[in-house]
Amino acid sequence: DAGVIQSPRHEVTEMGQEVTLRCKPISGHNSLFWYRQTMMRGLELLIYFNNNVPIDDSGMPEDRFSAKMPNASFSTLKIQPSEPRDSAVYFCASSWFGEAFFGQGTRLTVV
Amino acid sequence: TQLLEQSPQFLSIQEGENLTVYCNSSSVFSSLQWYRQEPGEGPVLLVTVVTGGEVKKLKRLTFQFGDARKDSSLHITAAQPGDTGLYLCAVSTGTASKLTFGTGTRLQVTL
Repeated sequence: DAGVIQSPRHEVTEMGQEVTLRCKPISGHNSLFWYRQTMMRGLELLIYFNNNVPIDDSGMPEDRFSAKMPNASFSTLKIQPSEPRDSAVYFCASSWFGEAFFGQGTRLTVV
Repeated sequence: TQLLEQSPQFLSIQEGENLTVYCNSSSVFSSLQWYRQEPGEGPVLLVTVVTGGEVKKLKRLTFQFGDARKDSSLHITAAQPGDTGLYLCAVSTGTASKLTFGTGTRLQVTL
């Protein structure tokens, strides 16, 4: 397996634009997590899915953020409209029985 | 308040030195994980500790789970530049394994 695949690796967008981050988890993993990492706040859990169902989205900062997992092999995190304070590295991770495997992240810059 | 507090936040040492980093909480956990994150990459699992008082060794790294399963430590013997990175502890909570990370310790090992 190629591991968790995220796209794009880098995204630069203007404030107010819609941003969509994509994730392909490892085949067979039943949990998927979206994290945001900044120097100030560290690695924050935004939302996680179990068997494609959103279980806990309490970490989603506000209504501008939404996440979907239409099937076991794909998830998206959307920010609309984006703001400069959304600039961060966004990680997707998948797991099976507790061990989480991370993608390489998407570095988002909102100008 | 953070579920997992790690200390120190930053540590800069020379090659060959020993060091210990800590992960503390007021909550009890069934297991705890340690991850290492290198620049530009996602975190990678190093070890999972399950039993109170458990000690696990991974080459020059020694992990210990506190007797009360509220805290953990990571000791590195004879640090090398390749040990440089962000060390994160993490716990699973809830029935669907919500994975929450600590605040992290950023280690730099210089020649």
